[in-house]
Amino acid sequence: DVKVTQSSRYLVKRTGEKVFLECVQDMDHENMFWYRQDPGLGLRLIYFSYDVKMKEKGDIPEGYSVSREKKERFSLILESASTNQTSMYLCASSLSDFAYEQYFGPGTRLTVT
Amino acid sequence: LAKTTQPISMDSYEGQEVNITCSHNNIATNDYITWYQQFPSQGPRFIIQGYKTKVTNEVASLFIPADRKSSTLSLPRVSLSDTAVYYCLVGGDNQGGKLIFGQGTELSVKP
Repeated sequence: DVKVTQSSRYLVKRTGEKVFLECVQDMDHENMFWYRQDPGLGLRLIYFSYDVKMKEKGDIPEGYSVSREKKERFSLILESASTNQTSMYLCASSLSDFAYEQYFGPGTRLTVT
Repeated sequence: LAKTTQPISMDSYEGQEVNITCSHNNIATNDYITWYQQFPSQGPRFIIQGYKTKVTNEVASLFIPADRKSSTLSLPRVSLSDTAVYYCLVGGDNQGGKLIFGQGTELSVKP
C-alpha cells in the first residue's frame, strides 16, 4: 500500500514564524501536491511538483513556497505565518501515468496565533 | 479547468442506493472525472474514475452521459460507515494531474 506521511498531525505557531510542513511518500511517485482544506471551501491546491526540483503553482500559492530536493519528500514552507493560514494542510502523491488517483496523507492541523 | 457543482449535503438510510450528481459544464476533451471520499480527520481516498459511459468497481458505479457535462456517483446499499464527504473532480493532464476539488457533498447515512 502507498503510504504518505506528514511530519505532524497538529502544529501551533505564532504569527511571523517560519513554518515547515514535511511530506514523505514511499512509492516512488512522480507527482506530489500540497492542499489546504477549510470549512465551506473544500480542498484548494497550493503547489504541486511533477519531478525533483520542479514545482508549479496551484490556485492559492500566495504566502507559501515549496521545496522538493528528493523524489520522496515535498516540503511546504510558510515564510512568515499569518492567522489566515490557520488550516488543515494535506499532502498527496500520484504516479505520473495515473495522475488522477492521488494518495493523501493524514493531514496537519496548523493553528497560527 | 472545469469547475464542478454538487449538492452540499444529502441524507439517506442504511440499505438504500445513493446517487450523487455532479455538474461540470466546462469539462475539456481530455479531462477525466474522479470521485473521492473523505472521513473526518483523514485525507481523501480515491473511489472511482471514468471518462465516459459507465464505470463500476467493488465500491461504486459512475455514470457519465454522452455530453459529459455531468456525472453521477452511485453507492449501492449504503451503510453507516459510508457517512462521509464525497468530492467530484474534473481535470488532470500528464503534468502532475492538476485537479480542482469542489466543496463536496456531505452524505449522512442514518440507521
